[in-house]
This record gives sequence, structure tokens and C-alpha cells, in this order.
Amino acid sequence: GEDVEQSLFLSVREGDSSVINCTYTDSSSTYLYWYKQEPGAGLQLLTYIFSNMDMKQDQRLTVLLNKKDKHLSLRIADTQTGDSAIYFCAESIENTDKLIFGTGTRLQVFP
Amino acid sequence: ETGVTQSPTHLIKTRGQQVTLRCSSQSGHNTVSWYQQALGQGPQFIFQYYREEENGRGNFPPRFSGLQFPNYSSELNVNALELDDSALYLCASSPFGQGVDEQYFGPGTRLTVT
Repeated sequence: GEDVEQSLFLSVREGDSSVINCTYTDSSSTYLYWYKQEPGAGLQLLTYIFSNMDMKQDQRLTVLLNKKDKHLSLRIADTQTGDSAIYFCAESIENTDKLIFGTGTRLQVFP
Repeated sequence: ETGVTQSPTHLIKTRGQQVTLRCSSQSGHNTVSWYQQALGQGPQFIFQYYREEENGRGNFPPRFSGLQFPNYSSELNVNALELDDSALYLCASSPFGQGVDEQYFGPGTRLTVT
């Protein structure tokens, strides 16, 4: 079955870059997604990448996709304290809007 | 334009009881999906409702059931509560077939089963 895995925790200094990694198993996913979850708030879609791309940049966010290794990463440039949150990668079930989420990576940004 | 809202915010129930959670979809959205997020885990897909019918279900037992109303709002019902049902329950609404980028999540209901 499908499974999406992430490292649990990442700590970075304010102003540095953060890289959050994810591995997935369903190679048929057309899109792969990154979500942000802050305490008391719902999940926020940050960005997504089409499976035939290997990179997508969106302001401070860069998504890299290695289809051969089924590896997805999210790079946040110039990380700010407001970026502290839990980040989830996700893939869709049979290319619908039903999602399989990873375990989440808690990003802590310190001054 | 209103966002996705859920009620109640928090809830405490006893093992064996039944619970109903509610979700109001964003204006214009006719599809509601429900997810369970256990502590320290990612959300898991429970089911989706479209046109008042179930449109896909994840790996959850039949004691998890749902409803969708003509105004597109939705309920999640859980019978015979177990301790492992303690979780944050999230709903998301979207226009049917429009893709994940048109889907918005509510803030969730925190259910504690004792």
C-alpha cells in the first residue's frame, strides 16, 4: 500500500535554509504536495509539484522531486521564526483530491 | 466568502459512547472530506462526501459514518468510541473535481476519549 515517510524534527537558525525530506511509494501520483500546520490552525497548502517536473520554485520555497528514488524535498530559504510549524508532504489517492499524508516534520526556528 | 468551520472545537467522551462532529464547507464547495490525525501523526483519510453520498473511503471501520446535507455541510459520527479514536478530526471542502489546490481545511475538532 501507499506510505509516505518524513524525518520527525528539524531545527535551524533564523536566516538559514531549511530542507525537509520525504519519501513516497506510489509512483503513479500525478502531483505531490507540501502542507504547513500551525497550532490551532488547519492545514495550509504551501506548494505542489507535477510529477513530470524535477524542480519548482515559489518565492522562498523550492521543491525538488527525484522520481527514480521517490524522494521529495522542500527547501525554505531565509527561514523565519514564523516558519516554525509542522510540515507534511502528501500524495493523492488515484489522482483525486483524497490525500495520503506523511508523518510530518516539526520545524523549529531559533534566533 | 466564509472559510471551513468545524464544531465543537474540543470534546471529551467516554469509551463506548457515540460522538457527532460537524463541518460547514466553504461557500460554493460541494465536496467534504474527513481526516483523522492522531497525536504525532499525519492526517489519515476517512471518507469523502459528494452530493450527499459517500465518494470514497479510507481504511476505517463501519462505526465511522458520515452524512452530507443539501447545504453541503457534513457530519462525522463515530459509534462505540475506543481510546485510539482520540485525535484531531479535520474536514476539508472543495469544489468537486477541481483539484487539491481548491481544497481548504478547517481548524479541526480535538476529540479525547477516556
